[in-house]
Amino acid sequence: GGIITQTPKFLIGQEGQKLTLKCQQNFNHDTMYWYRQDSGKGLRLIYYSITENDLQKGDLSEGYDASREKKSSFSLTVTSAQKNEMAVFLCASSMGTYNERLFFGHGTKLSVL
Amino acid sequence: GDQVEQSPSALSLHEGTDSALRCNFTTTMRSVQWFRQNSRGSLISLFYLASGTKENGRLKSAFDSKERRYSTLHIRDAQLEDSGTYFCAAEAYYGNEKITFGAGTKLTIKP
Repeated sequence: GGIITQTPKFLIGQEGQKLTLKCQQNFNHDTMYWYRQDSGKGLRLIYYSITENDLQKGDLSEGYDASREKKSSFSLTVTSAQKNEMAVFLCASSMGTYNERLFFGHGTKLSVL
Repeated sequence: GDQVEQSPSALSLHEGTDSALRCNFTTTMRSVQWFRQNSRGSLISLFYLASGTKENGRLKSAFDSKERRYSTLHIRDAQLEDSGTYFCAAEAYYGNEKITFGAGTKLTIKP
């Protein structure tokens, strides 16, 4: 088995601040994903990466940057936090890209004051 | 537009009853996955299907193998611990590698 670790678990930021969320996986999976979940809603894809140094935009990439520094890690940056923003950011990984099961981390809960 | 439509959006049942959740897809899908999200926000993978049906205890899921445009999740003899929000996520058969999530079904099991 493996695990996906997201840090931090909780993140409180100020309006306009640049915030970075980190994700590590030890499944040796090729593909990693960042999703955003707003309260009571489904998940929306921000960025994904099919291999080290690869980056693909999802539906919600505006306002975010991402970086796949190595196969096991995928970080997400909120380029300018929006006032009163509150959401959970979920990192996931899968072995490949097609027909592959997703495994999720426990999430990072973001609150912007 | 939205590719994955889940129904119902919320469901309240008594213990011991059976239920069925459904996902309709606006396009042909390659695969579907079902997740349960608990009160702490953790997403637990229940099933991954490229076709056919899978069963695990009181849970059973099916993916329409012919048209590949809907999937169902059946919960038999519901228990309190089944409460949570259930999401389906599907990968389109043509196009890029994105997996699209439905908006979820909030299931509440009452004693």
